[in-house]
Amino acid sequence: SAVISQKPSRDICQRGTSLTIQCQVDSQVTMMFWYRQQPGQSLTLIATANQGSEATYESGFVIDKFPISRPNLTFSTLTVSNMSPEDSSIYLCSALTARSGANVLTFGAGSRLTVL
Amino acid sequence: TQLLEQSPQFLSIQEGENLTVYCNSSSVFSSLQWYRQEPGEGPVLLVTVVTGGEVKKLKRLTFQFGDARKDSSLHITAAQPGDTGLYLCAGAVGFQKLVFGTGTRLLVSP
Repeated sequence: SAVISQKPSRDICQRGTSLTIQCQVDSQVTMMFWYRQQPGQSLTLIATANQGSEATYESGFVIDKFPISRPNLTFSTLTVSNMSPEDSSIYLCSALTARSGANVLTFGAGSRLTVL
Repeated sequence: TQLLEQSPQFLSIQEGENLTVYCNSSSVFSSLQWYRQEPGEGPVLLVTVVTGGEVKKLKRLTFQFGDARKDSSLHITAAQPGDTGLYLCAGAVGFQKLVFGTGTRLLVSP
């Protein structure tokens, strides 16, 4: 399965600033996704990163707050803009691959953001 | 909106005990997956079940997909401290999108 690298792995940020998280996959993948995981909770899909076009956002997430880039089939970035303490969370990049007749997600280790 | 409710939310047991985690929804899924997540890591796929009624075994772990493809269970036999982690079920919606369950945090003490 694909290997996904994310950076930064963690960061402490000031309120009002923006941070860009990078996600690199070791092979070409069709679909990449960004998830948010708040402390002690499950995963919530932020958006699907589409190669060559605008990302597809889930309800409750907007492009101005979470701009996403997907310049090619192995790389994507997620920016968390104008951060507030409520944005403190783990942000996970994932890629969709086919295995045993089903689509499965492979995840990066996540980027833990703390906003002060 | 598809929702996957897991129960229990938290489980603390002693090594050697058995346990079952449930994943329930009112929606039908084309497939269902179980992931385990350890602190500081992303979720790692354990199994995918595709057919209603399907049972899969992975060493001491047994996974079952409900006949109607709306629910699933994970049974662990003789739990070990290495089983500690956050267990997440995830249902496939259409061909590409996964909806994650609410999660079950398992702590196995020696």
